[in-house]
Amino acid sequence: DAKTTQPTSMDCAEGRAANLPCNHSTISGNEYVYWYRQIHSQGPQYIIHGLKNNETNEMASLIITEDRKSSTLILPHATLRDTAVYYCIVRVHNTGTASKLTFGTGTRLQVTL
Amino acid sequence: KAGVTQTPRYLIKTRGQQVTLSCSPISGHRSVSWYQQTPGQGLQFLFEYFSETQRNKGNFPGRFSGRQFSNSRSEMNVSTLELGDSALYLCASSSQGAYEQYFGPGTRLTVT
Repeated sequence: DAKTTQPTSMDCAEGRAANLPCNHSTISGNEYVYWYRQIHSQGPQYIIHGLKNNETNEMASLIITEDRKSSTLILPHATLRDTAVYYCIVRVHNTGTASKLTFGTGTRLQVTL
Repeated sequence: KAGVTQTPRYLIKTRGQQVTLSCSPISGHRSVSWYQQTPGQGLQFLFEYFSETQRNKGNFPGRFSGRQFSNSRSEMNVSTLELGDSALYLCASSSQGAYEQYFGPGTRLTVT
């Protein structure tokens, strides 16, 4: 699985958009970008994933650069409940084999009033 | 649909003892993965079970083992506990071919 690099921490004002970057310059053509988050003392929560097109769901948007070497997770209107550690993971999607996720250190997002 | 459940939520054990943790996946999910989370090492993959077979294993000593039952429920066992085994143990389930995994709340194990 490709290695990812994320900033250690970020701050965001409540109501503003939170833009969390992730660098994955060694990504392979068949590797997807996944985002999970972990709110303090809870299990990680899946947010979104993408291959090369931008994706949006009810939680967030994922913007992947054309060369796929980096991506940005966007929380359009951050709330205090979005305070968490956000993990960017790059891996091949296996339909019939192991589901192993390799977590890095993630970005600690602090949303403030 | 009920989420992933893990029991017990908290556990205190003494060095040298053994412990068994339980995980019930989301109904219909046949894949169950286990992770260990510590402040020093972060989230690390332990192993994954699918249809009662272990199909991937992380880099942990043989003291860590697991199994999966025919109803997809899974248990993990740690024998001869060490202080360094103190951690949050997380279980995740997914359906075949799915992109996302769903995590339980974890079992916090403290070894004294």
